[in-house]
Amino acid sequence: EAGVAQSPRYKIIEKRQSVAFWCNPISGHATLYWYQQILGQGPKLLIQFQNNGVVDDSQLPKDRFSAERLKGVDSTLKIQPAKLEDSAVYLCASERGAQPIQETQYFGPGTRLLVL
Amino acid sequence: GQQLNQSPQSMFIQEGEDVSMNCTSSSIFNTWLWYKQDPGEGPVLLIALYKAGELTSNGRLTAQFGITRKDSFLNISASIPSDVGIYFCAGRYSGGSNYKLTFGKGTLLTVNP
Repeated sequence: EAGVAQSPRYKIIEKRQSVAFWCNPISGHATLYWYQQILGQGPKLLIQFQNNGVVDDSQLPKDRFSAERLKGVDSTLKIQPAKLEDSAVYLCASERGAQPIQETQYFGPGTRLLVL
Repeated sequence: GQQLNQSPQSMFIQEGEDVSMNCTSSSIFNTWLWYKQDPGEGPVLLIALYKAGELTSNGRLTAQFGITRKDSFLNISASIPSDVGIYFCAGRYSGGSNYKLTFGKGTLLTVNP
């Protein structure tokens, strides 16, 4: 079974530029998460999708961050415009979504973003 | 919001030694999870705990779900060099359709051969 795929793996941009990250979850997984992991910290949830609907985006900075999962499979996360403090690893995770409390979230390798 | 305090922040041990790390929370969780993250990779689940008081092992790893549901610990016995990495605790609380994970800040483990 293929794991969670993310691209690009690395991205360097200047502040005020825009950037987009892509995630392909494990086949059949209904729930998809985007996390932000700042150096020295644990992952922090940005947004949770169930199929193509948003379950929780309470910690997403909506003035600059947006995410979509239009067909309930792949997802993109966009930052526009980027700030220096957005430098972090952006992790995508997925899970089957049938019995959430006892399920395992599988993480992708992450996209490392550096904003200069 | 929920906060997890994970300790210690870092550990430097000799190969063969046992390791213990723990997490405490300001509020209760239904599930406690322990993840390991290697450099350049995403976290990988090591152990999941679903009931207060539960003690679960996975090879040389043992973890417990605290009785109060506000704490958990992870023990690693007879450490080996490949145990090096960052270990995260995470708690999960079910509220409606929101089952989000809250992560600790991690424990960086270094094993000296």
